[in-house]
Amino acid sequence: AQSVTQLGSHVSVSEGALVLLRCNYSSSVPPYLFWYVQYPNQGLQLLLKYTSAATLVKGINGFEAEFKKSETSFHLTKPSAHMSDAAEYFCAVSVGNQGGKLIFGQGTELSVKP
Amino acid sequence: EPEVTQTPSHQVTQMGQEVILRCVPISNHLYFYWYRQILGQKVEFLVSFYNNEISEKSEIFDDQFSVERPDGSNFTLKIRSTKLEDSAMYFCASSELAGSTDTQYFGPGTRLTVL
Repeated sequence: AQSVTQLGSHVSVSEGALVLLRCNYSSSVPPYLFWYVQYPNQGLQLLLKYTSAATLVKGINGFEAEFKKSETSFHLTKPSAHMSDAAEYFCAVSVGNQGGKLIFGQGTELSVKP
Repeated sequence: EPEVTQTPSHQVTQMGQEVILRCVPISNHLYFYWYRQILGQKVEFLVSFYNNEISEKSEIFDDQFSVERPDGSNFTLKIRSTKLEDSAMYFCASSELAGSTDTQYFGPGTRLTVL
């Protein structure tokens, strides 16, 4: 069965510092992986997704993630944090051949200190 | 930019009452979903819906739950007799195509509080 684990329920960085949010997956078939962001009182917004093309995926707002099959990881990074990046981030894996349901990690809350 | 909308944003109900949560998916989307997030827990899949029938449902989605697309725009989740443990944020999502790589667009959620 597919699953997702996000290491660290809360990450705090200083403005301008590197952001690294960790996600590991478990899947018996090649996975499709997603990162979503949730700002307060808003829905989940797609940051980026991996669909078996390039292993380094670039998303919105300067975020990127690298799919590493050997490490079963899909960590999210951003070189320089901005105050507006403060939000909850969810990693998810898609399953199924059609209209696959998303299986989410528990989420990581990112705080950015001035 | 098109977006998924949900109403109400917050619903308070008494245990045992029926509630209907409403969603308006993006207009050209064909696949619809409900997820929920109990406070402090993961976002969990409830059900997917395509071509006017349920495609897949989770163990959570028991006989107390039902979904419907009553017209060309709305997608509803009904909980027949609410329990305390149904208190959660409920998210509706839609996707254009039927595939595991397709982006699901989420609404802002309905916070359900069962007293």
